Amino acid sequence: QVQLVQSGAELKTPGASVKVSCKATGYTFDSKSIHWVRQAPGQRLEWVGWIHGGNGDTKYSHKFQGRVTIARDTSATTSYLELSSLRSEDTAFYYCARAAGTGPFDSWGQGTLVTVSS
Amino acid sequence: QSVLTQTPSVSGARGQRVTISCTGSRSNIGAGYDVHWYQQLPGTAPKLVIYGNTDRPSGVPDRFSGSKSGTSASLAITGLQVEDEAEYYCQSYDNILSGWLFGGGTKVTVL
Repeated sequence: QVQLVQSGAELKTPGASVKVSCKATGYTFDSKSIHWVRQAPGQRLEWVGWIHGGNGDTKYSHKFQGRVTIARDTSATTSYLELSSLRSEDTAFYYCARAAGTGPFDSWGQGTLVTVSS
Repeated sequence: QSVLTQTPSVSGARGQRVTISCTGSRSNIGAGYDVHWYQQLPGTAPKLVIYGNTDRPSGVPDRFSGSKSGTSASLAITGLQVEDEAEYYCQSYDNILSGWLFGGGTKVTVL
């Protein structure tokens, strides 16, 4: 069955960077895209960006442009989210999710809590 | 403005029908982009319950149904069950943001 398993919780200081991984199993990795979504405590879901399954192209929300990098290692069937210049407002659960092209997000990782605090 | 607006909360007795609305604009729902709905139980990741405005993934009970008209969409739960108590989010693509939007979420409470 399809599974997306994310790396563990992170505690970072303001100004640092964080890298979260998402290991995909149960399907052909490069046949689907991977999106990253975050959710601050008590807040709505917020789309961060995605990496296209076929060609590996990336697209980011304007809000995170310049601070975010999404990458993948097809041999490891893993996607990565890196967010730099962290501030307290970046404290949130970060989720990876699978989609077929621009379709719905049909499988989700369990989430990774990133806490930014001095 | 590129935003999806949902009623913050709805409630109903077990067995009743509740409806959750999602209002967008001409740059997202009104532009013809599909609306998808997710259920999020406390402390867990979201789960897809309706995709493509009206379709249910395998395994989702048929008491969940979706509709779309103009710049709005709705999720209905008919025959409300205790296990349906959760936060529900709508989602659509926005061509001004060139990205995906989520609604603010609706908390469903079973009385």
